[in-house]
Amino acid sequence: GAGVSQSPRYKVAKRGQDVALRCDPISGHVSLFWYQQALGQGPEFLTYFQNEAQLDKSGLPSDRFFAERPEGSVSTLKIQRTQQEDSAVYLCASSLERAGNGYGYTFGSGTRLTVV
Amino acid sequence: AQSVTQLGSHVSVSEGALVLLRCNYSSSVPPYLFWYVQYPNQGLQLLLKYTSAATLVKGINGFEAEFKKSETSFHLTKPSAHMSDAAEYFCAVSDLGLNDYKLSFGAGTTVTVRA
Repeated sequence: GAGVSQSPRYKVAKRGQDVALRCDPISGHVSLFWYQQALGQGPEFLTYFQNEAQLDKSGLPSDRFFAERPEGSVSTLKIQRTQQEDSAVYLCASSLERAGNGYGYTFGSGTRLTVV
Repeated sequence: AQSVTQLGSHVSVSEGALVLLRCNYSSSVPPYLFWYVQYPNQGLQLLLKYTSAATLVKGINGFEAEFKKSETSFHLTKPSAHMSDAAEYFCAVSDLGLNDYKLSFGAGTTVTVRA
């Protein structure tokens, strides 16, 4: 597609509910990232995929967070047993090549998760 | 890990006035630096990036930033503000070495433009 697409745009979850957030990167993009942006703060790194391989998951806050990209394109971020502190905007980004070395990312519009 | 500090969470300027957003990074080695803009309910859009090729970097929408190693700064400027510049701006730095894919963002600066 023309840009990074994320769905849903908004999600309200009851505390304890499981949620799944989807990211469709730009076609052919090798690198895919998930970031978490709490209200009033800058985005924070969660995880990085190169094709289907999850190369870095050091930013995932707890074992309730799980991300996958089984075929090297679409990615899903899953949060189990949601807590109020999980409320944030979850941003997905992709990059044509291995990111870094000065290559910026293309970000999606994000999914705003509200846990009530 | 690398980090950046954005001075001032809110900046208000008059239309036509200079826009100056401050960013300082923490690194003994010049990193890769970025400025992103975020409009309401949208994702981040890259304004410009510093990759050691030139210390004065020109970006989109008339913005530019100057890398100053002696001051560990990467301030963003625009000579004349436009109403459409109202948004939130984030400075970011990449990690060094093998983790250079990982960006660390500042807390952001919200710009309002007065008519």
